[in-house]
Amino acid sequence: QKEVEQDPGPLSVPEGAIVSLNCTYSNSAFQYFMWYRQYSRKGPELLMYTYSSGNKEDGRFTAQVDKSSKYISLFIRDSQPSDSATYLCAMSVGMNSGGYQKVTFGTGTKLQVIP
Amino acid sequence: KAGVTQTPRYLIKTRGQQVTLSCSPISGHRSVSWYQQTPGQGLQFLFEYFSETQRNKGNFPGRFSGRQFSNSRSEMNVSTLELGDSALYLCASSLDGFYNEQFFGPGTRLTVL
Repeated sequence: QKEVEQDPGPLSVPEGAIVSLNCTYSNSAFQYFMWYRQYSRKGPELLMYTYSSGNKEDGRFTAQVDKSSKYISLFIRDSQPSDSATYLCAMSVGMNSGGYQKVTFGTGTKLQVIP
Repeated sequence: KAGVTQTPRYLIKTRGQQVTLSCSPISGHRSVSWYQQTPGQGLQFLFEYFSETQRNKGNFPGRFSGRQFSNSRSEMNVSTLELGDSALYLCASSLDGFYNEQFFGPGTRLTVL
């Protein structure tokens, strides 16, 4: 079983819809939770990050973490065609003794927003 | 500020050959991480270099190796290529290895025939 599970999609929604992207995980030691966006032929870019449980909002994006259920979500309000990309969830237990924060990624969900 | 650059962007090799990929981090960044991205496995951590020293290593065979130079530029080498090594290889740079400072390059698409 993978440490981080993510539905690969593809997910196709009309412009203006609310999008919900989700990941589950098995490692209860994860404390840092991230969402990356990856456009075609580009590297991932960090979209949002949260520490521990709760919600975090940034414009049209809301990241939600439920540690008791080992479940995280990214909501996109008023979705736009420019949001069409692959969204990767990622998690980390924190800085290790070697001084590096190893990040474990989900496989990504491909989102298409149709005009 | 220039972003992370990777060369070459595309590469086609045959089984048994070896390949070297290059990554130039953002100016001032001392940490460079390498990832392999495939549709089935997603992004998998290969290794991380900081100030010319490998600090962390993922679960990949010894055919995968890397190094970092004094100017923080990094190279990754894969010897005795296998079909399963076909993937997008991404490098990411950061100041000190913190997740929220990590910036990715566009990747090198490696195809092994």
